Amino acid sequence: QKEVEQNSGPLSVPEGAIASLNCTYSDRGSQSFFWYRQYSGKSPELIMFIYSNGDKEDGRFTAQLNKASQYVSLLIRDSQPSDSATYLCAVNSKLIFGAGTRLAVHP
Amino acid sequence: DTGVSQDPRHKITKRGQNVTFRCDPISEHNRLYWYRQTLGQGPEFLTYFQNEAQLEKSRLLSDRFSAERPKGSFSTLEIQRTEQGDSAMYLCASSLDQPYNEQFFGPGTRLTVL
Repeated sequence: QKEVEQNSGPLSVPEGAIASLNCTYSDRGSQSFFWYRQYSGKSPELIMFIYSNGDKEDGRFTAQLNKASQYVSLLIRDSQPSDSATYLCAVNSKLIFGAGTRLAVHP
Repeated sequence: DTGVSQDPRHKITKRGQNVTFRCDPISEHNRLYWYRQTLGQGPEFLTYFQNEAQLEKSRLLSDRFSAERPKGSFSTLEIQRTEQGDSAMYLCASSLDQPYNEQFFGPGTRLTVL
């Protein structure tokens, strides 16, 4: 079992819809959770982080954490074509990454 | 520009040669991390420094790899006797020394070993 698992996608959503990206992790003691966006050929860009159970909202992005289920998700509201990228879930201070989910937002 | 910078951005080398990469972190950040990313995968942790001390190294980091941060500012990552399997994007990130540190990445150095 991989330490951090994500569906590789692609996840295809129409412009304006909600994109839902999911991530599960194996280490029950994990404390910090991060979402990075990575455009093709570029380096990861931090978009959200969450430490406590529940929801955290920042603009069009909402991160959700459920430590009991070892599950973290990212919701992107009003998806735009510019959101098309790979979204990487990372866990803990030395950042154990999943392989990423490719999101494609089509007009 | 006050972000993380890396040099060079691209490096092509022949198998068996040595290469060295440099990373300059965000100035107030005392933690510095190195990662490696191959196509279709997330970045893999290699090593990290707090100030000048190298606190952890991944088992992925073979004896051919060495990293330094001599004055607690910039860092170098050297790969000796490169192999084709070393071809990857090498990413540097930095953060403050906080319990839940948010890491910010540089643009990366893409290494191609022929």
